[in-house]
Amino acid sequence: NAGVTQTPKFRILKIGQSMTLQCTQDMNHNYMYWYRQDPGMGLKLIYYSVGAGITDKGEVPNGYNVSRSTTEDFPLRLELAAPSQTSVYFCASSYPEDSASKQFFGPGTRLTVL
Amino acid sequence: TQLLEQSPQFLSIQEGENLTVYCNSSSVFSSLQWYRQEPGEGPVLLVTVVTGGEVKKLKRLTFQFGDARKDSSLHITAAQPGDTGLYLCAGVFKRSNYKLTFGKGTLLTVNP
Repeated sequence: NAGVTQTPKFRILKIGQSMTLQCTQDMNHNYMYWYRQDPGMGLKLIYYSVGAGITDKGEVPNGYNVSRSTTEDFPLRLELAAPSQTSVYFCASSYPEDSASKQFFGPGTRLTVL
Repeated sequence: TQLLEQSPQFLSIQEGENLTVYCNSSSVFSSLQWYRQEPGEGPVLLVTVVTGGEVKKLKRLTFQFGDARKDSSLHITAAQPGDTGLYLCAGVFKRSNYKLTFGKGTLLTVNP
């Protein structure tokens, strides 16, 4: 199993450009998550999904959109990039058997908006 | 908003020393997880604690969950340079639909 894969690893955007961060998992997990990590700030939840066709906002959803058409894929869309979206983005997945669900993280996408 | 505080934020020690990292909240956790993150990689789960008072050991790492399930600690014995990394605690609060709330992390550097 590859686990959780993310592409691209690095990206530089100009203000106002759009892009999609890709995330795929091969563990048949129902739950998937997008986080952003800023220096000294831990991880903040952007959006999450409990299954195909179901998504919901997390703590910091503004400026982002998601879709979940399949169990495996959970892309994150930035429509009008802003410098405040410079961050490292992590995708994660889990199969919550109980409240102690274990999350598996991808390697991250480092995004810079200039 | 449920907050989770970690301390210290930074810790630099010599190889062989012991250390403890703390994670606290004013709310009760359904469960709490500790992750370790190395530069350029995603967090990797170390342990999950669920029961108040629970103690789990992972080689030289000892994890404790408070009796009231509002706090946790990570103790490392005889730290090694390979322990260097960002240690994150993450809590699942009741009725949160399995969403994790992360602390800001403790950046540990173990010098040889």
